[in-house]
Amino acid sequence: GEDVEQSLFLSVREGDSSVINCTYTDSSSTYLYWYKQEPGAGLQLLTYIFSNMDMKQDQRLTVLLNKKDKHLSLRIADTQTGDSAIYFCAEIFSGGYQKVTFGTGTKLQVIP
Amino acid sequence: DTAVSQTPKYLVTQMGNDKSIKCEQNLGHDTMYWYKQDSKKFLKIMFSYNNKELIINETVPNRFSPKSPDKAHLNLHINSLELGDSAVYFCASSQEVTPIYEQYFGPGTRLTVT
Repeated sequence: GEDVEQSLFLSVREGDSSVINCTYTDSSSTYLYWYKQEPGAGLQLLTYIFSNMDMKQDQRLTVLLNKKDKHLSLRIADTQTGDSAIYFCAEIFSGGYQKVTFGTGTKLQVIP
Repeated sequence: DTAVSQTPKYLVTQMGNDKSIKCEQNLGHDTMYWYKQDSKKFLKIMFSYNNKELIINETVPNRFSPKSPDKAHLNLHINSLELGDSAVYFCASSQEVTPIYEQYFGPGTRLTVT
């Protein structure tokens, strides 16, 4: 199957770190992504990681990839209220055209 | 300048009607998509066009018919609307030859069928 699973909800206090987890299915995925969806808007690419990497850091964001377990995580340091959104992990289907499979989405709520 | 635009933003209609949603991208991308996001925020791909050619057609009722008059436009026509069609529909685009295949999303069209 092509299900990409995430926990549905995460609540953190402002200033704490947030960790959003994802389990994907296609072991041959080339790229894995994190997209952010703010209320009433479309998705925007937040960060991505190439499949031959274990970790990628981009300012407050850290992406960890465990290929053996097909597990992807996004850590947001010093979480701010503006980080409240739905976060989708995604993998690109490596067998053909750019078919990206999105996860079920994690709603992050940041409490002031 | 808006990269991916959709019209209308909101669409309220009755069961059995036929409606269209339009999408345009000014990024020069060669691939465009339609996604459906349900009330639980699950996002599912419906169709993808590459250079006006249909390349992805997921299990979608044939009441849904995409049309791509040119590379910059991908419209979605829905016949005989049903209550279950109520959702937010997102258009997106990407460039095939690109390092990371980033998808650019439109703002969405919220369809409500009554």
